[in-house]
Amino acid sequence: DAGVTQSPTHLIKTRGQQVTLRCSPKSGHDTVSWYQQALGQGPQFIFQYYEEEERQRGNFPDRFSGHQFPNYSSELNVNALLLGDSALYLCASSLGTGPHEQYFGPGTRLTVT
Amino acid sequence: SQQGEEDPQALSIQEGENATMNCSYKTSINNLQWYRQNSGRGLVHLILIRSNEREKHSGRLRVTLDTSKKSSSLLITASRAADTASYFCATDGLFSGGYNKLIFGAGTRLAVHP
Repeated sequence: DAGVTQSPTHLIKTRGQQVTLRCSPKSGHDTVSWYQQALGQGPQFIFQYYEEEERQRGNFPDRFSGHQFPNYSSELNVNALLLGDSALYLCASSLGTGPHEQYFGPGTRLTVT
Repeated sequence: SQQGEEDPQALSIQEGENATMNCSYKTSINNLQWYRQNSGRGLVHLILIRSNEREKHSGRLRVTLDTSKKSSSLLITASRAADTASYFCATDGLFSGGYNKLIFGAGTRLAVHP
């Protein structure tokens, strides 16, 4: 039973560029949440997708957008990258949007230079 | 802003000793969860305790929850070098519409020395 997978593992981008990160949820899960984790900090909630719609959003600018596909996989897009966007981006999946256990992927390490 | 605050920020112990980490939070919750993270990689779910539970065990892990004090503790007994990691507590609040999000603290960095 495959867990949550994310791609790519590492990514280096230049300021001003755009990036797309991908996530496949754990088998049987239909909800995907994205988190940003800066070095030495805990993860910060970006947004959550369920039934292909953004259901909740954290305190992140519109440069952060996402998408969920009919097979429940998801993408996170970040436009006009800033140095401060350098972080580990984590995807988590769960069954439904309620207060359930969330399973995390290994993350994508984004470095903006 | 982060809701949870772990204490201590860092903990260094010898193999075989017990490790205790504490977490405090600010608002009402449905559940509180503890996660482990090795070397900046993905989070591994350890245990979930519901707001109406006071204590929960899983192997060498013991979690307590005191909703009146808005605090939780994670005890790892008979620690091993492999327990070296960062440990985070995460709460999910009572949000409208039934949609939850996890709010994490800054974590406790545990080092277990052989």
